Amino acid sequence: EPEVTQTPSHQVTQMGQEVILRCVPISNHLYFYWYRQILGQKVEFLVSFYNNEISEKSEIFDDQFSVERPDGSNFTLKIRSTKLEDSAMYFCASKPGGKETQYFGPGTRLLVL
Amino acid sequence: QKEVEQNSGPLSVPEGAIASLNCTYSDRGSQSFFWYRQYSGKSPELIMFIYSNGDKEDGRFTAQLNKASQYVSLLIRDSQPSDSATYLCAVIGSGGYNKLIFGAGTRLAVHP
Repeated sequence: EPEVTQTPSHQVTQMGQEVILRCVPISNHLYFYWYRQILGQKVEFLVSFYNNEISEKSEIFDDQFSVERPDGSNFTLKIRSTKLEDSAMYFCASKPGGKETQYFGPGTRLLVL
Repeated sequence: QKEVEQNSGPLSVPEGAIASLNCTYSDRGSQSFFWYRQYSGKSPELIMFIYSNGDKEDGRFTAQLNKASQYVSLLIRDSQPSDSATYLCAVIGSGGYNKLIFGAGTRLAVHP
């Protein structure tokens, strides 16, 4: 069964460094999402992406964040200058057109020191 | 602010019993409701979705929706120790591009 994949599974970085989190959504899906979950807290929406542009973003998704779909398969989240509070689990999700169910990848655990 | 509320638990049930998990939501225009299971350190895994008022059954799981009361629940019959996890209620609110709004989750512990 097709799955959303994410790399790396873990990333440790120094505060102020740039990180890129990568996702490969399910191949025939059209809508892509990033969510994050700070340890012990709820899963929070960051951004949705459709037709090669951002369709919605949350207040968390400020100018330090960006997303890209550089080719037909990858979907990336970039954090330009990481802060301690960016430490969280980041989940990519995707869904097909005409359906509402989103399928989540395994996540990338980001630790900012 | 659109909110989804869940009792954090833990909800402790004996093996073989029925576990009942509840969720309320604030956006009356919400149309789609999901239950995800999350094991510690893992990603949310879809269990069920429900769109219409009433009950929807899938194996040992039954989702119940009452839009008038803005309430959605999940029943797990014949609970197994492997069902021990955090159960996340998620809602797609009115407007927007299908972003999921999650509750904080209810931790379920099934003891042998």
